[in-house]
Amino acid sequence: EIVMTQSPATLSVSPGERATLSCRASQSVSNNLAWYQHKPGQAPRLLIYGASTRATGIPDSFSGSGSGTEFTLTISSLQSEDFAVYYCLQYHDWPPGYTFGQGTKLEIK
Amino acid sequence: QVELVESGGGVVQPGRSLRLSCAASGFAFNTYAMHWVRQAPGQGLAWLAVISYDGTSKYYADSVKGRFTISRDNSRNILFLQMSSLRVEDTAVYYCARDQAPGNYFFFMFSWGQGTPLTVSS
Repeated sequence: EIVMTQSPATLSVSPGERATLSCRASQSVSNNLAWYQHKPGQAPRLLIYGASTRATGIPDSFSGSGSGTEFTLTISSLQSEDFAVYYCLQYHDWPPGYTFGQGTKLEIK
Repeated sequence: QVELVESGGGVVQPGRSLRLSCAASGFAFNTYAMHWVRQAPGQGLAWLAVISYDGTSKYYADSVKGRFTISRDNSRNILFLQMSSLRVEDTAVYYCARDQAPGNYFFFMFSWGQGTPLTVSS
């Protein structure tokens, strides 16, 4: 099983500042990596897939990068609505065996 | 637009069985693979199972293999998760999700429902 490790577990950032979240895979997942935003009581929201492609309707303040085992989600200028938990997901395994990272909680500093 | 509405959660005793449902609308249900994902209290997201667009291929996480069964009724646009031998550690919010693209492929979870909570407790 591919293990996904996110860091940090919690990130405190002020509104308007940049946030950088990391995700590491235990083996290469190529660019088969997605990022999700999850707020309490809501459905998770797809932000990025293919490591760097923004999903429909996602503002360009969100960007993804990386390939292989190291990935980054960057939020360039934090808005109040961006404070949430962020998960990475690998979908490289075959037969399908999806694994999420444990999440990074982005909180207001 | 895509709408996924889960139902069937509640409170159940350990060892019992329960079936969750996910009603889909706003897209051609019979052309997409579908997933179940859960989130236990204080924990992250965990993928459980995926089923192909036509129901012929099914894959499971090791944590639920042999206890949970994913199925679908394409005539009614409903996805199911049959859960048996439930354990306290199955307590979670259960989400259904649609895959990214139509066809005989498995990609990733594209659209999600709001989830249905399940508590397993005596």
